[in-house]
Amino acid sequence: AQKVTQAQTEISVVEKEDVTLDCVYETRDTTYYLFWYKQPPSGELVFLIRRNSFDEQNEISGRYSWNFQKSTSSFNFTITASQVVDSAVYFCALKVGPIGYGKLTFGQGTILTVHP
Amino acid sequence: DVKVTQSSRYLVKRTGEKVFLECVQDMDHENMFWYRQDPGLGLRLIYFSYDVKMKEKGDIPEGYSVSREKKERFSLILESASTNQTSMYLCASSFREGVGELFFGEGSRLTVL
Repeated sequence: AQKVTQAQTEISVVEKEDVTLDCVYETRDTTYYLFWYKQPPSGELVFLIRRNSFDEQNEISGRYSWNFQKSTSSFNFTITASQVVDSAVYFCALKVGPIGYGKLTFGQGTILTVHP
Repeated sequence: DVKVTQSSRYLVKRTGEKVFLECVQDMDHENMFWYRQDPGLGLRLIYFSYDVKMKEKGDIPEGYSVSREKKERFSLILESASTNQTSMYLCASSFREGVGELFFGEGSRLTVL
């Protein structure tokens, strides 16, 4: 069975601080995909990034960066110089098996609040 | 712009009522999903469908059923609503041959009294 754990229930920071959201996953499959989604107050989940299990290269996109480490089964997400608009619920998710089929297993979510 | 539309943002129903939650996507996606979101539990999969008239149980199907008569539409049915089904319901869709990215609707918040 697959499992995703986001141990941080809520994080509160002040604008311009850096913040890291942790994600730990469990699976016995060797082929899997990891995702991050953002859910702003409007409610609609927005896709942020996908990584496959064969690509451990870290990625940076603007103020966002992702650290994928298979050795620790972690896929952490860092926001640099946080802004109020970053306030949202962030979900990490895992999918095993061939792409296009199968379900995503989500973590519990981390509520991020960025104060001005 | 891709779009997943859920018929109602907010519903209030009474215990024992039959509830229909409708979801329509305009992206010609083969896969459609219904998730339930509760604080501290994240998103849990109720049912999903890979094609018209096909359905598969997710992690928490008890008390729910689904219908997929057309490719673009996926309905979630609560035959007899109970208070423990008060929740946020999220519909999502994806391409079968895509990268697995799900596109979500805005959610339907159901309160059962």
